[in-house]
Amino acid sequence: AQSVTQLGSHVSVSEGALVLLRCNYSSSVPPYLFWYVQYPNQGLQLLLKYTSAATLVKGINGFEAEFKKSETSFHLTKPSAHMSDAAEYFCAVSAGTGNQFYFGTGTSLTVIP
Amino acid sequence: NAGVMQNPRHLVRRRGQEARLRCSPMKGHSHVYWYRQLPEEGLKFMVYLQKENIIDESGMPKERFSAEFPKEGPSILRIQQVVRGDSAAYFCASSPRWAQETQYFGPGTRLLVL
Repeated sequence: AQSVTQLGSHVSVSEGALVLLRCNYSSSVPPYLFWYVQYPNQGLQLLLKYTSAATLVKGINGFEAEFKKSETSFHLTKPSAHMSDAAEYFCAVSAGTGNQFYFGTGTSLTVIP
Repeated sequence: NAGVMQNPRHLVRRRGQEARLRCSPMKGHSHVYWYRQLPEEGLKFMVYLQKENIIDESGMPKERFSAEFPKEGPSILRIQQVVRGDSAAYFCASSPRWAQETQYFGPGTRLLVL
């Protein structure tokens, strides 16, 4: 079975500071991992995905994530936060022959000017 | 290439009425997924369909909910005799091939049951 845990339902950072959003997964088979961003009253937009190639994955808007098998983690980072990064971020896992994505409960990012 | 389209974007129903939510996948995508997002929660899988087939409905409530993806036309999520607990955002996603491929999400339908 697969599952995702996102530590910290709310994260606040100052503009220009490092963004770190945590995601830990559970999977009995090699996983595919995704980060999505959701702006208010909108759908989910793909930020980046890991599909067993390079462990450091670069996405859009300056975000990147590193797959660490030993830690079962896929944390999302951005060196310098921008006001436009304020949104809800979801980590998701898909694995094996399953047909669905398993989503974490989300992390709401606030950027303080 | 148009993205995943959902309509209506907002839907208000009274208890006991029916709600029909439509989803048109991205061009070339034959796999459709429906998810439900309750307030302050993540997305929960409901059903996975390919053209004319329900592949996995393990996340669908046993009663009142049904889904279809006909040969022609959009996928439909149907909720009969809605109750207040059905109020949520319903998202459709599509992918071009197998389920582990990236899923592209529509803007969602926000259902409010009065």
